[in-house]
Amino acid sequence: AQKVTQAQTEISVVEKEDVTLDCVYETRDTTYYLFWYKQPPSGELVFLIRRNSFDEQNEISGRYSWNFQKSTSSFNFTITASQVVDSAVYFCALSEALGGSQGNLIFGKGTKLSVKP
Amino acid sequence: NAGVTQTPKFRILKIGQSMTLQCTQDMNHNYMYWYRQDPGMGLKLIYYSVGAGITDKGEVPNGYNVSRSTTEDFPLRLELAAPSQTSVYFCASSYSKGQGTYEQYFGPGTRLTVT
Repeated sequence: AQKVTQAQTEISVVEKEDVTLDCVYETRDTTYYLFWYKQPPSGELVFLIRRNSFDEQNEISGRYSWNFQKSTSSFNFTITASQVVDSAVYFCALSEALGGSQGNLIFGKGTKLSVKP
Repeated sequence: NAGVTQTPKFRILKIGQSMTLQCTQDMNHNYMYWYRQDPGMGLKLIYYSVGAGITDKGEVPNGYNVSRSTTEDFPLRLELAAPSQTSVYFCASSYSKGQGTYEQYFGPGTRLTVT
């Protein structure tokens, strides 16, 4: 069965600190996709990144970076030099490519990040 | 492009009433989805559609119905509203081809309260 676990319910940091959000997933498929979404206080869901299971290269986008490790079934998200605008709930999600799931996303429960000035 | 739009933004229903949540996308995406988000929780899939005329149940379909007569529209119908349906509802769309799964784009959400 598919499952996404975000063990950190809430994290609070001071501006300019680095912070890592953990994501552990479970799947029986060899082909799958992992995603991160941001939900700011305004409530909308903003897509951040998509990674397929065959690409274990880490990715960096500005202050954001992602570490994908199949050996530990983890897809962690790091924000470098955090800013107040990074305050949001961050969701990790999993989608299997095969079978009847039709690309449906399985979400973790989210990690609420608060960045204080 | 407007992306994914949802109406209404807020709604209060009395127990037993019915309503339709509207969702429209202008990105020509073939897949569309309805999720609900309860406080402190991630999103759970209610129904999805892989194209016009084709719909299927997700994880929590009870109490809801959907239809997909066009590529653009995917309304969600609540029949006999119950307090357990108090939630924030998100519509999403994506493009999928073969076994590829691309990112889903979400609407702004509808906050529904049933009292």
